[in-house]
Amino acid sequence: EVQLVESGGGLVQPGGSLKLSCAAYGFTFSKFPMSWVRQAPGKGLEWVSTISGSGASTYYADSVKGRFTISRDSSMNTLFLRMNSLRGEDTALYFCARDRNWGSHYWYFDLWGRGALVTVSS
Amino acid sequence: QSVLTQPPSASGTPGQRVTISCSGSSSNIGTNTVNWYQQLPETAPKLLIYSNDQRPSGVPDRFSGSKSGTSASLAISGLQSEDEADYYCAAWDDSLKGPVVFGGGTKLTVL
Repeated sequence: EVQLVESGGGLVQPGGSLKLSCAAYGFTFSKFPMSWVRQAPGKGLEWVSTISGSGASTYYADSVKGRFTISRDSSMNTLFLRMNSLRGEDTALYFCARDRNWGSHYWYFDLWGRGALVTVSS
Repeated sequence: QSVLTQPPSASGTPGQRVTISCSGSSSNIGTNTVNWYQQLPETAPKLLIYSNDQRPSGVPDRFSGSKSGTSASLAISGLQSEDEADYYCAAWDDSLKGPVVFGGGTKLTVL
């Protein structure tokens, strides 16, 4: 079955670190750019970061640039998000998503995981 | 403050047709295609419409999308109780606001 499964969420203190994982099943992982999107409690969707299929190119929202690092391991079919210097405003449900046509007029996410909850609080 | 503007709420009775609007600018909707996502309560978003008006396999033809200029719309005909969800529009953005921008979401209530 084609699916994405996130893990690694939890409670972390402000200033702390956490690493999320997203395991991909049922498709050729290395062919697709992959992204992280987050949703703060009761709020809308916010794009966080994207990595190309090869892993050579990465992109970040200004709100996380310099603090978060996206990576991937195609041998494990897994996407990662390393989050450092966490703040209260980073509290959210973090979804991984598969990109189609990244960088073009016709971009969209066609597959989403169920999400991993990150809570930043003392 | 989301880059794309959606009404926060919409409602309809079973069988009715409802539309949800999404307003943007020349750097996003005006130049690029629009996608719509449905998020049922406590679930992950699901792709509903891509490239303005295309439905992925498995999405009922009750759902349709359109775009004109810097605005887009999602229409749901024959409204059903299971359509009660949050709906988000999204698009590529060629400005510094991008690259990916979302609407704030519309909560659809089936009365």
